[in-house]
Amino acid sequence: NAGVMQNPRHLVRRRGQEARLRCSPMKGHSHVYWYRQLPEEGLKFMVYLQKENIIDESGMPKERFSAEFPKEGPSILRIQQVVRGDSAAYFCASSPTGERSPLHFGNGTRLTVT
Amino acid sequence: GQQVMQIPQYQHVQEGEDFTTYCNSSTTLSNIQWYKQRPGGHPVFLIQLVKSGEVKKQKRLTFQFGEAKKNSSLHITATQTTDVGTYFCAGYGGSQGNLIFGKGTKLSVKP
Repeated sequence: NAGVMQNPRHLVRRRGQEARLRCSPMKGHSHVYWYRQLPEEGLKFMVYLQKENIIDESGMPKERFSAEFPKEGPSILRIQQVVRGDSAAYFCASSPTGERSPLHFGNGTRLTVT
Repeated sequence: GQQVMQIPQYQHVQEGEDFTTYCNSSTTLSNIQWYKQRPGGHPVFLIQLVKSGEVKKQKRLTFQFGEAKKNSSLHITATQTTDVGTYFCAGYGGSQGNLIFGKGTKLSVKP
């Protein structure tokens, strides 16, 4: 049973470009979470999605950031017009039943904005 | 909103010494989870505590959940170099079920 798959592992973007981060949850998991981690810091919650629904996006900036989890295909975290402050590791996690379940994390995408 | 605080932020120990990290929530938690993240790696689930006053053990690791379900601790007995990493506690916050993480305790072990 494959784990949570994130790609790309590393992504370099120039300021003003768009970044697309992909996450395929574990098989049988329909709940996806995105977290952001700056060096030497904790995990900051961004958004919680189920298939075709955004359940909680309270941690996601209102501008430039969006997330989706379509009926088919991976979850996508999209950052438009990236700025240097967006440089961070972005982790995706999935769980089978959502609330109160342990999370299974992917290896993360390290975004660098130059 | 809910906050989860962890102390200490860093801990340096000599191999063989014990280590403890503490976690406090601003609100009562339905459960608490602990994760470990190795340097350069991703968080890995260790354990979940649900009951008030619960104590669970995994080999040299002992996890406790406070009676009021607002605090928790992780104790490692006789640390080894393989224990190196950052230990996070996390609790579910709000009405939507998003998992809120503490900032973690980074453990380094000197051989």
